[in-house]
Amino acid sequence: GAGVSQSPRYKVAKRGQDVALRCDPISGHVSLFWYQQALGQGPEFLTYFQNEAQLDKSGLPSDRFFAERPEGSVSTLKIQRTQQEDSAVYLCASSLKVAATYEQYFGPGTRLTVT
Amino acid sequence: GENVEQHPSTLSVQEGDSAVIKCTYSDSASNYFPWYKQELGKRPQLIIDIRSNVGEKKDQRIAVTLNKTAKHFSLHITETQPEDSAVYFCAAKLTGTASKLTFGTGTRLQVTL
Repeated sequence: GAGVSQSPRYKVAKRGQDVALRCDPISGHVSLFWYQQALGQGPEFLTYFQNEAQLDKSGLPSDRFFAERPEGSVSTLKIQRTQQEDSAVYLCASSLKVAATYEQYFGPGTRLTVT
Repeated sequence: GENVEQHPSTLSVQEGDSAVIKCTYSDSASNYFPWYKQELGKRPQLIIDIRSNVGEKKDQRIAVTLNKTAKHFSLHITETQPEDSAVYFCAAKLTGTASKLTFGTGTRLQVTL
């Protein structure tokens, strides 16, 4: 079946612009995570959804970052007034169930470059 | 929160040799430890994982060991092949239903002919 997909794959934004990144998880997966991966680093947690409920947003770096999953499937990560330090790969991951030890399946990521 | 340290940051081995990557974690409440392989420009892919009630797990040429007392876990790759070349990330997950993965900083493995 189809894996996790993300769009766009690449996004170039001028500093100050708003961007929206989309994640399509594997159908039926309850849990959805967003991670930020800076160049040469491991992914860092941003936020977590269980169905449509955002249960953890402790990793969002500022109030310019906002995520939603209104119908419990597709999720959007929005960054307002982008800054150069926002340049990174944004990874989405989904997991079938809620239990902590279920595998997270990653999407290919969106590479955001802020100029 | 959880903190995961990973060593070495780069590792070069000859084809056929073994490779070992080590990670330590800080929170004894972590109970799930996956390893991901990420090729350049690609998504992280799970290669093996271990739960805290197990000390060792093996899958063909790949094995992971966990020492809960010392709070460290290791990835072992035997008979390395050029296609093993990639960046490997360890991660830890706290007990609980809504807990995220905390990743190490990655190890770039280069398998030379």
